[in-house]
Amino acid sequence: EDQVTQSPEALRLQEGESSSLNCSYTVSGLRGLFWYRQDPGKGPEFLFTLYSAGEEKEKERLKATLTKKESFLHITAPKPEDSATYLCAVQVTTGANNLFFGTGTRLTVIP
Amino acid sequence: ETGVTQSPTHLIKTRGQQVTLRCSSQSGHNTVSWYQQALGQGPQFIFQYYREEENGRGNFPPRFSGLQFPNYSSELNVNALELDDSALYLCASSLAGGPQHFGDGTRLSIL
Repeated sequence: EDQVTQSPEALRLQEGESSSLNCSYTVSGLRGLFWYRQDPGKGPEFLFTLYSAGEEKEKERLKATLTKKESFLHITAPKPEDSATYLCAVQVTTGANNLFFGTGTRLTVIP
Repeated sequence: ETGVTQSPTHLIKTRGQQVTLRCSSQSGHNTVSWYQQALGQGPQFIFQYYREEENGRGNFPPRFSGLQFPNYSSELNVNALELDDSALYLCASSLAGGPQHFGDGTRLSIL
């Protein structure tokens, strides 16, 4: 059974304190791994797609990496506006091109 | 470029009623997916439409049904509403194989 697990569930950081969020996955075949950001009362906002182990993507203070079993979202020198829930999702090689989501990491960055 | 728009933003219904939620996909996108997001959880896949045909379905009963129109907009219909149907319903559009872009959802409350 396809499974996505995110940790930690919640994370509080001081402004400027770098950290990483984890997404571990067990799937029959990986087509792609996706990171989204979700603000309260809003839909998920697309951040990155990773397709193969060793791939890395960067956007401002965020960097996503992928191995054969997990992905990390590294946040460098976070600011209060980075506070949000970060969702990881996988797309598998069988069936429809739907996303299978983890439960997310709720990040709070304190000024 | 217009993003994904959903209507209505909020809706209150009672048990046993029926509801229709609407989604306009992002310009140029031919695939629409619907997700249900309970509080504190990741979105769960309901179904996907590609060129007006259902392209895959998650673990939801037949009282959840949908349509996609020639302009790629879509509807989600839910019959015989139950209390557990209270959730945020998200629509996402994409080009086949590309990342999914979400609207801000419809918050459905069942009394």
